[in-house]
Amino acid sequence: QKEVEQDPGPLSVPEGAIVSLNCTYSNSAFQYFMWYRQYSRKGPELLMYTYSSGNKEDGRFTAQVDKSSKYISLFIRDSQPSDSATYLCAMSGSNYQLIWGAGTKLIIKP
Amino acid sequence: DGGITQSPKYLFRKEGQNVTLSCEQNLNHDAMYWYRQDPGQGLRLIYYSQIVNDFQKGDIAEGYSVSREKKESFPLTVTSAQKNPTAFYLCASRSELLNYGYTFGSGTRLTVV
Repeated sequence: QKEVEQDPGPLSVPEGAIVSLNCTYSNSAFQYFMWYRQYSRKGPELLMYTYSSGNKEDGRFTAQVDKSSKYISLFIRDSQPSDSATYLCAMSGSNYQLIWGAGTKLIIKP
Repeated sequence: DGGITQSPKYLFRKEGQNVTLSCEQNLNHDAMYWYRQDPGQGLRLIYYSQIVNDFQKGDIAEGYSVSREKKESFPLTVTSAQKNPTAFYLCASRSELLNYGYTFGSGTRLTVV
């Protein structure tokens, strides 16, 4: 079993929809949780960061961490075609070595 | 602007040949990382370095080598011992002042011909 599980998709939704992306993990020592966005043939870029449990909002993006369930989510409101990309979750403990999910390919249809 | 520069963007390797991928950063970051990305597998750690003249193997180091002679530079050599080198290679760095947030380069696509 992988330490971090993420559905690779693809996930296809119409423009304007609310998107929910998720990861589950098994290591209870993880305390730093991140979402990266990767466009085709580009390097990933940090989108959202959360420490420990709770919610964090940035514009149309909301990150949620539920440590009791070992489950993290990224919500995208009013999705746009420019949001089409692969979204990677990543997490780490106190050593800051990131453990990555496989990435979910998201397609927003105009 | 500060960032990470990877070169070349595309690289072709013949069987039995060693090739070196360049990674340079001007962010003054201490830690640097090399990842390999294959379709549907996310990022897998090859090597990392937390300080000059020191580096550690990651999960898939076999067939690869690195050096860290300068803080700004962390080149990766893909040796002939790596039997399946075709992949997208990503270099990243992290500041010791930040507990999160790797900065990535744009990647090098390596293809065996």
